[in-house]
Amino acid sequence: SQELEQSPQSLIVQEGKNLTINCTSSKTLYGLYWYKQKYGEGLIFLMMLQKGGEEKSHEKITAKLDEKKQQSSLHITASQPSHAGIYLCGADEDSNYQLIWGAGTKLIIKP
Amino acid sequence: DTAVSQTPKYLVTQMGNDKSIKCEQNLGHDTMYWYKQDSKKFLKIMFSYNNKELIINETVPNRFSPKSPDKAHLNLHINSLELGDSAVYFCASSQDMRAGGTQYFGPGTRLTVL
Repeated sequence: SQELEQSPQSLIVQEGKNLTINCTSSKTLYGLYWYKQKYGEGLIFLMMLQKGGEEKSHEKITAKLDEKKQQSSLHITASQPSHAGIYLCGADEDSNYQLIWGAGTKLIIKP
Repeated sequence: DTAVSQTPKYLVTQMGNDKSIKCEQNLGHDTMYWYKQDSKKFLKIMFSYNNKELIINETVPNRFSPKSPDKAHLNLHINSLELGDSAVYFCASSQDMRAGGTQYFGPGTRLTVL
């Protein structure tokens, strides 16, 4: 069973539009990871957040962790076809490193 | 209920030893995978099995040998462990081999080779 709530499950976005994916836990997280899944190549690490209120950006992707460290959002600005894929959040519930996972969000970019 | 489980969660061993990591999924999926997570958090696929048959075998030393006794299990056996094998190993499963299918990951096994 998935212990991180990830929403939406799937998303179809017009190219050039912005979008947001959310990841929520009922527990305070030690660390939150965002990955992009490419079939046959495994997951690509995007960002890791550890501090409450932390925000990181890479190219057109921004990830934030709320102050309580229970919710994270991944925001893509001006989406492109290369952004299509499945986005997965994973989290450490404590420092002993046992990851829990969201169910993934399938992102489709319409040209 | 745990969907994808791995044992052990932590494994500390000496160089030269042989060790196994077990993976089980109770999702009824046809396809299972082994990934190695490097220090940069990149998950690199090692093996993929579909209905107990090897589908993907990336460039991995032949000291690593996967074994799938049935569709629900994919174990990873490592011979003559080396320092560079230290990493976190993730097992995953998906419904089938179709592109774009969501993979469900286990919690990982942290292997430390001393």
